[in-house]
Amino acid sequence: DTAVSQTPKYLVTQMGNDKSIKCEQNLGHDTMYWYKQDSKKFLKIMFSYNNKELIINETVPNRFSPKSPDKAHLNLHINSLELGDSAVYFCASSQRQGAGYTFGSGTRLTVV
Amino acid sequence: ILNVEQSPQSLHVQEGDSTNFTCSFPSSNFYALHWYRWETAKSPEALFVMTLNGDEKKKGRISATLNTKEGYSYLYIKGSQPEDSATYLCAFVPGNQFYFGTGTSLTVIP
Repeated sequence: DTAVSQTPKYLVTQMGNDKSIKCEQNLGHDTMYWYKQDSKKFLKIMFSYNNKELIINETVPNRFSPKSPDKAHLNLHINSLELGDSAVYFCASSQRQGAGYTFGSGTRLTVV
Repeated sequence: ILNVEQSPQSLHVQEGDSTNFTCSFPSSNFYALHWYRWETAKSPEALFVMTLNGDEKKKGRISATLNTKEGYSYLYIKGSQPEDSATYLCAFVPGNQFYFGTGTSLTVIP
């Protein structure tokens, strides 16, 4: 069983659409994260949830909204997609804040 | 914003060569330093978690050292193999948040 699974793996969509990326972890971890890999392959934190509560919310457009229905899931919803949103998005989880991460396999989002 | 730097940015070595690269981080508020190995089209995988000044960790041909007082960690690969080709990421953890470096991209030429 995959420890941190993201769906879909690839997402191609038109500008202006609304889309969601799902993330689930079966490790029993308390903390989950969303990272965006920029054009230089740098991982930038977007959001972090601990036990379903938002603890990190970096400066991202408010078109991005995370949702954590339970501590095993952290979904990312993006409204009114723009060309600049094209990137690879990684979900990760850790046992607690500051502990080592387990990453998902990434979702490559392409906005056309 | 904390500055975590890795050098060099990229590195090409011949199969069999040994190599090393550096992660530099602030020397204050240290909690942990993580190393990840990130192969193309895959997700980053944890290599080491280092917490104490002077720590040395080893996994096969890969080892790492930590100097928290001067704010650096070295990753060493002995006898590089083509399968070692990947980006090696470090993450500085001052408390609860991870600050990733930009990575060192290693290519091992057969």
